[in-house]
Amino acid sequence: NAGVMQNPRHLVRRRGQEARLRCSPMKGHSHVYWYRQLPEEGLKFMVYLQKENIIDESGMPKERFSAEFPKEGPSILRIQQVVRGDSAAYFCASSRASGRMDTQYFGPGTRLTVL
Amino acid sequence: GNSVTQMEGPVTLSEEAFLTINCTYTATGYPSLFWYVQYPGEGLQLLLKATKADDKGSNKGFEATYRKETTSFHLEKGSVQVSDSAVYFCALTPEGNQFYFGTGTSLTVIP
Repeated sequence: NAGVMQNPRHLVRRRGQEARLRCSPMKGHSHVYWYRQLPEEGLKFMVYLQKENIIDESGMPKERFSAEFPKEGPSILRIQQVVRGDSAAYFCASSRASGRMDTQYFGPGTRLTVL
Repeated sequence: GNSVTQMEGPVTLSEEAFLTINCTYTATGYPSLFWYVQYPGEGLQLLLKATKADDKGSNKGFEATYRKETTSFHLEKGSVQVSDSAVYFCALTPEGNQFYFGTGTSLTVIP
């Protein structure tokens, strides 16, 4: 019973490059969430998606960041023209439904380093 | 608004000591409350949860009780082990769409 899978686990990019982070939710889960964890801080919500729909992107920076969850395949968080401040751990979570009784299960994260 | 305030760390305890990590919250409505644990280099793992007032979540010897009157969800364990060394995050969700996390409390247990 595989959990939430994320790849790559570590990603190094130079300033100005694009970073693409992938997340495959747990089997049977159709709700995906992305969070960012800066050093020494808690996780901050970025975006919530269901298949082919963005439900809540209130935590997403307005520029350079985008997310998708296509009908087939993993969810993708894309960061264009990365800057040093984008260096962080990015976690994906999934849930079966989105009510307050539903637990979000987290992947191992992608640690992005921008040189 | 919604927020979680956790006791600041780091916390260092000897093996078999009693652990308390304080967590208080502010929220709209009636949130669900969670504790997650993060081991070095890994993602967050659910430790326990409670979905309504006076509920007690428990797992692996850890407990936390949902106290609406004090808006708290303190994590406790009677006898910690070296393997409990990790960062602990308190979190809430008012509606399920997004979770709000505290800043985390680092625990180190020494033999």
